[in-house]
Amino acid sequence: DAKTTQPPSMDCAEGRAANLPCNHSTISGNEYVYWYRQIHSQGPQYIIHGLKNNETNEMASLIITEDRKSSTLILPHATLRDTAVYYCIVSGAGSYQLTFGKGTKLSVIP
Amino acid sequence: DVKVTQSSRYLVKRTGEKVFLECVQDMDHENMFWYRQDPGLGLRLIYFSYDVKMKEKGDIPEGYSVSREKKERFSLILESASTNQTSMYLCASSMPEQHYGYTFGSGTRLTVV
Repeated sequence: DAKTTQPPSMDCAEGRAANLPCNHSTISGNEYVYWYRQIHSQGPQYIIHGLKNNETNEMASLIITEDRKSSTLILPHATLRDTAVYYCIVSGAGSYQLTFGKGTKLSVIP
Repeated sequence: DVKVTQSSRYLVKRTGEKVFLECVQDMDHENMFWYRQDPGLGLRLIYFSYDVKMKEKGDIPEGYSVSREKKERFSLILESASTNQTSMYLCASSMPEQHYGYTFGSGTRLTVV
């Protein structure tokens, strides 16, 4: 599975959009980009995933660049409850496992 | 609401004890996973199972074993607990080839003294 690079931490003002970047320059054609988050003392929670098209659900939007070497998770209106560690993961559809890196610690500030 | 349930939230065991961590899911998922999480190291995969009685080693299987006798239950076993196994243990399940279906339990914080 391709490796990912994320900034270790980010701040975002409450009510503003949070844009979390992820680099995955070695991604291969059949690998998906997944985003999970982990709120303190809880298990990780799935947010969204995509292959090459932009995706949106009730939680977030995922923007994948045309060359697929990077992506951005967008939380459109961040709240204090969005404070968490966000993990960007790249994995093939045929893989049984996801490899979690260290993620980005997002702090939403009042 | 679908769930992955871990039997204990907090557990304290003595060095050398045999420890069982239980995980049950109610989503009829084929795949089940055990991770441990330590500060600064992120989540690391210990073992996973893609079918009943099947198991595969993850990145850090040493000192652990697993059991999957029924589809809904995946047990992690520490044969002889050691202090370096003090950690947060997380169980997850998913359907095959549907990674967005990963559902995690709330975790078991194990302390070995």
